[in-house]
Amino acid sequence: DAKTTQPPSMDCAEGRAANLPCNHSTISGNEYVYWYRQIHSQGPQYIIHGLKNNETNEMASLIITEDRKSSTLILPHATLRDTAVYYCIVIAGANSKLTFGKGITLSVRP
Amino acid sequence: DSGVTQTPKHLITATGQRVTLRCSPRSGDLSVYWYQQSLDQGLQFLIQYYNGEERAKGNILERFSAQQFPDLHSELNLSSLELGDSALYFCASSVGREFLETQYFGPGTRLLVL
Repeated sequence: DAKTTQPPSMDCAEGRAANLPCNHSTISGNEYVYWYRQIHSQGPQYIIHGLKNNETNEMASLIITEDRKSSTLILPHATLRDTAVYYCIVIAGANSKLTFGKGITLSVRP
Repeated sequence: DSGVTQTPKHLITATGQRVTLRCSPRSGDLSVYWYQQSLDQGLQFLIQYYNGEERAKGNILERFSAQQFPDLHSELNLSSLELGDSALYFCASSVGREFLETQYFGPGTRLLVL
């Protein structure tokens, strides 16, 4: 599976959009981009995933560049409860495993 | 609430001992996954069971074993415990067998080995 690179941390103001970047320059054609988050010591929570097209659900939007070498998770209106570690994970099919890196710590400030 | 339950929430034991962690998946989910999260190693995949059969293995030590029962609940057995086994242990479940499927994580069991 392709490796991902995320900055260690970022912050944003409550109510503003949080844009979390992820680099996956070695991604191959059949690999999906998944985002999970972990709020302090709780179990990780699935957010969204995509292959090529941009995706949106009730939690977030995922923007994948045309060359698929990077993506951005967008939380449109961040709240204090969005403070968490966000993991960008690239996985393929049958024999891939969910490999969590260090993730990016998002701090939402009042 | 993910629908995945784990017991106990906390466990304190001594080195050399054996413990059993229990996980009940979401209703309808056939896969159970176990993960270990320690401060130095991060969140690591240990093992997956699908419908009672072992399907995938990760960085699981030989001192650890797991099984999934006919009612689909799973147990993770940790034996000959060492200080370094102190960690959060999460289980997750999904409908099918593939890692591409969304995994729903439980609240975890915090294990402290003294």
